[in-house]
Amino acid sequence: GENVEQHPSTLSVQEGDSAVIKCTYSDSASNYFPWYKQELGKRPQLIIDIRSNVGEKKDQRIAVTLNKTAKHFSLHITETQPEDSAVYFCAAYRRGSTLGRLYFGRGTQLTVWP
Amino acid sequence: SAVISQKPSRDICQRGTSLTIQCQVDSQVTMMFWYRQQPGQSLTLIATANQGSEATYESGFVIDKFPISRPNLTFSTLTVSNMSPEDSSIYLCSTRQGSDYGYTFGSGTRLTVV
Repeated sequence: GENVEQHPSTLSVQEGDSAVIKCTYSDSASNYFPWYKQELGKRPQLIIDIRSNVGEKKDQRIAVTLNKTAKHFSLHITETQPEDSAVYFCAAYRRGSTLGRLYFGRGTQLTVWP
Repeated sequence: SAVISQKPSRDICQRGTSLTIQCQVDSQVTMMFWYRQQPGQSLTLIATANQGSEATYESGFVIDKFPISRPNLTFSTLTVSNMSPEDSSIYLCSTRQGSDYGYTFGSGTRLTVV
């Protein structure tokens, strides 16, 4: 099956700085890569996603890049704000012989200090 | 994207008893997914439920312990059977409304077994 590695596990930045979270995946058959933000006690919320036929996608302060050759993708948050503090999960979607599913990374606890 | 209503939001149960968690989706979806999330951990897939067929369980999870029902395209239940304190966790359902939309999650059920 697929294996998704996520780094770092914790990340602290000053408000206004940028934050980068990196993930690698093992299976070249994976073709969809979402990022989720989970605030304490809340459900994971999709914040951005990218498909394997695209190298980069941006949505305001958030961007995701994908390098299919190296099998890694990254989340970039610019001009961070205290409300960006949360746990962020990357995931890779791989379609099996009958069912597709997401494989999640272990998560990154992002803290943005005012 | 699909909106999921999940209940109960939390429960405290006696060991040896069972709890059934319900998820209702506001639109018809093909597959629903059930996850477990231990405190501070990532999401672990328990099983995938396809309407009209038996659920597919991941390694380490069995139907006798986590029976799943999927009576129609908008509803699913997960039962945690013969509970022990080790089953204390957050349980989440998830689905995807077509291939053009990301996966969304229910609000989660925080289960404590005493």
